[in-house]
Amino acid sequence: KNEVEQSPQNLTAQEGEFITINCSYSVGISALHWLQQHPGGGIVSLFMLSSGKKKHGRLIATINIQEKHSSLHITASHPRDSAVYICAAKPNTGNQFYFGTGTSLTVIP
Amino acid sequence: DTGVSQDPRHKITKRGQNVTFRCDPISEHNRLYWYRQTLGQGPEFLTYFQNEAQLEKSRLLSDRFSAERPKGSFSTLEIQRTEQGDSAMYLCASSLAGQGAVGYTFGSGTRLTVV
Repeated sequence: KNEVEQSPQNLTAQEGEFITINCSYSVGISALHWLQQHPGGGIVSLFMLSSGKKKHGRLIATINIQEKHSSLHITASHPRDSAVYICAAKPNTGNQFYFGTGTSLTVIP
Repeated sequence: DTGVSQDPRHKITKRGQNVTFRCDPISEHNRLYWYRQTLGQGPEFLTYFQNEAQLEKSRLLSDRFSAERPKGSFSTLEIQRTEQGDSAMYLCASSLAGQGAVGYTFGSGTRLTVV
């Protein structure tokens, strides 16, 4: 049983398409991160959310605490967005994160 | 400070050999975490330190694994008598206690291949 579930696992999109990646979690959390992992493994934190919505450039992240659900949206997708996107939830107790298995995104020119 | 640094980036070793990885956290961060990520999976927690004290260890951390943070700054993760199942990406992250998830920063990882 995973505390954090992501969907879809794999996603292929044409350049310019609007992309949505979903994350559901089963524990009470204090915050949720959306992470981007490029080939080679380096991880970058895109957003840290505890409520509402955040926007950075073409990326938008939303979270609904009551429904235990978060989404990451990419507008006007570009091939350089191709990466694995990982949802990471910080539970209310404990000091570790629970991670989703990631969504592998490929944007085709 | 350029973030969390991990060394080496890649390590190929023969089964049975010992390996050691290093993580340098963001200098003012007092918490340091080790995670392991196998192919197609999200990272799994291994252990974390607050300053030099190792406060939590996962059951994933077998007796062959040991982590240290002797001066409360950099940390090392050693795997003794490596097995093929140890092949994974080993990720380090750091944070500042009391800030929750804010500023939680990952390193680029060390990819271990056991042949």
